[in-house]
Amino acid sequence: AQSVTQPDIHITVSEGASLELRCNYSYGATPYLFWYVQSPGQGLQLLLKYFSGDTLVQGIKGFEAEFKRSQSSFNLRKPSVHWSDAAEYFCAVRGGSYIPTFGRGTSLIVHP
Amino acid sequence: SQTIHQWPATLVQPVGSPLSLECTVEGTSNPNLYWYRQAAGRGLQLLFYSVGIGQISSEVPQNLSASRPQDRQFILSSKKLLLSDSGFYLCAWSGQGRVDGGTEAFFGQGTRLTVV
Repeated sequence: AQSVTQPDIHITVSEGASLELRCNYSYGATPYLFWYVQSPGQGLQLLLKYFSGDTLVQGIKGFEAEFKRSQSSFNLRKPSVHWSDAAEYFCAVRGGSYIPTFGRGTSLIVHP
Repeated sequence: SQTIHQWPATLVQPVGSPLSLECTVEGTSNPNLYWYRQAAGRGLQLLFYSVGIGQISSEVPQNLSASRPQDRQFILSSKKLLLSDSGFYLCAWSGQGRVDGGTEAFFGQGTRLTVV
């Protein structure tokens, strides 16, 4: 079985500060990993994905994520947050099943 | 390119009334299709998924049903809505899993359903 944990329900940062959103997964082998962003009242947009190869993946909007097998983690990072980054962020995993499993989400609040 | 359409965007329905939400995908064939429900602060709950026409799998028992009458059409229905059916419903599609890598899910814009 596959599962995802996003331990932080809310994260508050100041505009211009760095950001790291945590994601831990559970799966017996190397899974496929994704980060999505959701603006209020909207669907989910894919930020980045990891399938194999380089463990540091670059995404859209200046985001990156690093896959760490030893920690079963896939944390999302951004060096400098913009007010427009305020949104809900979801980590997802897809293992042997083709069905992705999503974390409960982390709400990002950006202070000016 | 592939696109996914979901409608309506918002819906207010009385308790006991029927429901029909529609989702269609363009630009791909034989997609996997999904219905998720999102409640505030509770992430995404998978309701149904489909790997082909007429093939529906349900993840949780509930007052809802799904159908796939055509390859790229996925419908979420209810005969009698409950207050607890209120929420944000998302349709998504993904390609079939491939040996060369997994495929991500692509989401519609969602339907905000309020049952009153």
